[in-house]
Amino acid sequence: EADIYQTPRYLVIGTGKKITLECSQTMGHDKMYWYQQDPGMELHLIHYSYGVNSTEKGDLSSESTVSRIRTEHFPLTLESARPSHTSQYLCASSEGLAGGSDTQYFGPGTRLTVL
Amino acid sequence: QKEVEQNSGPLSVPEGAIASLNCTYSDRVSQSFFWYRQYSGKSPELIMSIYSNGDKEDGRFTAQLNKASQYVSLLIRDSQPSDSATYLCAVYMGRRALTFGSGTRLQVQP
Repeated sequence: EADIYQTPRYLVIGTGKKITLECSQTMGHDKMYWYQQDPGMELHLIHYSYGVNSTEKGDLSSESTVSRIRTEHFPLTLESARPSHTSQYLCASSEGLAGGSDTQYFGPGTRLTVL
Repeated sequence: QKEVEQNSGPLSVPEGAIASLNCTYSDRVSQSFFWYRQYSGKSPELIMSIYSNGDKEDGRFTAQLNKASQYVSLLIRDSQPSDSATYLCAVYMGRRALTFGSGTRLQVQP
């Protein structure tokens, strides 16, 4: 089972501020993911990474950006927060195994509110 | 049509009963299947995975897979109020990430 951490857990911020949501995992997983989820709604993949220096956009268009300079760290940045960015952001990781047995483990999430 | 379909519920069962959660998927070459539980306001947590046709049991949980029918289910025996949550079906279709269903909300009535 993965140990995956997200900070902050809750963030309330004003419009126009730059924010970075942190995600770290200690299991050496190659693949990491960011999902966005509104209350009671589906998970939407917004970014993913296969490894260091590899990042791709997901299924849902997002104004956020990500970086993967170290295996264990996958931060998400919003350059200028807007009320439409209010949501829960979930980070996940997996070993990146071939053959389909690639279980994803989730961090506790960051609940972002932009006023 | 969504690639992973679940009935949104709520599915309401009395305490002690068997809860049956169902999921269908569109891609025949899907390789592995996962059930996650998500409590309100929390992140998804893995319950179990299944890769081969048939049943897989883990405590009160049984996952059932039928690849010919493109169907996977989760049975929860002796349902408890603490089982009340949204259950997400996820399928690995050989892509960049798991494909998640929209979830079924389960309510266990005391």
